[in-house]
Amino acid sequence: QVQLVESGGGVVQPGGSLRLSCAASAFTFSSFGMHWVRQAPGKGLEWVASIRYDGNEKNYAESVKGRFTISRDNSKNTLFLQMSSLRAEDTGVYYCAKGLYSGYDFKLGHWGQGTLVTVSS
Amino acid sequence: QSVLTQPPSVSGAPGQRVTIACTGSSSNIGAGYDVHWYQQLPGRAPKLLIYASINRPSGVPDRFSGSKSGTSASLAITGLQAEDEADYYCQSYDNTLSDSWVFGGGTKLTVL
Repeated sequence: QVQLVESGGGVVQPGGSLRLSCAASAFTFSSFGMHWVRQAPGKGLEWVASIRYDGNEKNYAESVKGRFTISRDNSKNTLFLQMSSLRAEDTGVYYCAKGLYSGYDFKLGHWGQGTLVTVSS
Repeated sequence: QSVLTQPPSVSGAPGQRVTIACTGSSSNIGAGYDVHWYQQLPGRAPKLLIYASINRPSGVPDRFSGSKSGTSASLAITGLQAEDEADYYCQSYDNTLSDSWVFGGGTKLTVL
């Protein structure tokens, strides 16, 4: 059974940095595009960033471009999101998600349970 | 405000049929991009419900169906059950922003 387990969330001051991780198991991680989606408290879903199966293509939402960096370590089956210059509006639950099909698929077929990021002084 | 518009809430009695609309424009749904639907049960992570407008992943009951026409898409749920009470989101691609995937604002389904 596909498992995605996020970690690294917490409380950080505005302007600070945080690195999220997503440990993947029970599928061939190196064959699938991976994604980060966030949800502010009581709000809807917002796509954040995506990375191709080999790491050679990355896409970002305008709201995080230049501040967040998505990366992956296929040898360790792990996805990362490096977040810097954090703002209050970055607060929310961050979900890691896997493409439904191999390659660079934006149908989000499996999701982790999420990790909470709170940006506050 | 999302570029994909959904009604904030819909409701229906058990056994009834409800539909949830996702209205876009010529830069997303109307441009032919796929529409996907997700169900988020209270306190849970989202789950893929419908992909490429009409397809169900394995394990999703056939009570859930999707359609698309012009600049809009719809999710229909027949034989409404109490466990269907959740938030539902549509997702597509928008070509007015660089490489931008977008979600609708979400619709809260209440089973009366």
